[in-house]
Amino acid sequence: DAGVIQSPRHEVTEMGQEVTLRCKPISGHDYLFWYRQTMMRGLELLIYFNNNVPIDDSGMPEDRFSAKMPNASFSTLKIQPSEPRDSAVYFCASSFAAGGGGQFFGPGTRLTVL
Amino acid sequence: GDSVTQMEGPVTLSEEAFLTINCTYTATGYPSLFWYVQYPGEGLQLLLKATKADDKGSNKGFEATYRKETTSFHLEKGSVQVSDSAVYFCALSPSGSARQLTFGSGTQLTVLP
Repeated sequence: DAGVIQSPRHEVTEMGQEVTLRCKPISGHDYLFWYRQTMMRGLELLIYFNNNVPIDDSGMPEDRFSAKMPNASFSTLKIQPSEPRDSAVYFCASSFAAGGGGQFFGPGTRLTVL
Repeated sequence: GDSVTQMEGPVTLSEEAFLTINCTYTATGYPSLFWYVQYPGEGLQLLLKATKADDKGSNKGFEATYRKETTSFHLEKGSVQVSDSAVYFCALSPSGSARQLTFGSGTQLTVLP
């Protein structure tokens, strides 16, 4: 299996622009998670889905952030408009309910907002 | 709520030294416990896990034992290598589900040749 795939790996944008991050989970996994990692705040869970349905979005920092999962093999995290404080590494992870726990992480997208 | 506490880093060791990174947790019921490793510029990788009390997870020379009585899951390795330099995260999930993980703050390990 190719593992969790994220794109782009690096994104540099200017403040106010829309940013879309993409994730393809491992085939057969029914949970998908979006995390943000910064030096100051560590690893934060933003939102997670089960069977394509958002279950808990309490970690989404504000209305500028939105996430969708239109099917079992694709998810997006969108920031509109972006701000410099959104600069971070964003990770997508997936898991499956019968797997005894444990999530599999993608390589991350390093976002820089100028 | 659930929480995980890791020993603060950074930890610096010489090659072939013995490693222990402490991890304790607070949770109801019987959570599953995990150690993840993050190498520079990469995502987190599952290193090992244990799903019930007294289980020992092991991988790549690392091991950790699920201690219910002390609510601990300390990571150990008998002889570290330079290539083990990374950040290590302890985590738990409620009763072995695939739902969200609760992570510790991470411990930076540097191994010197």
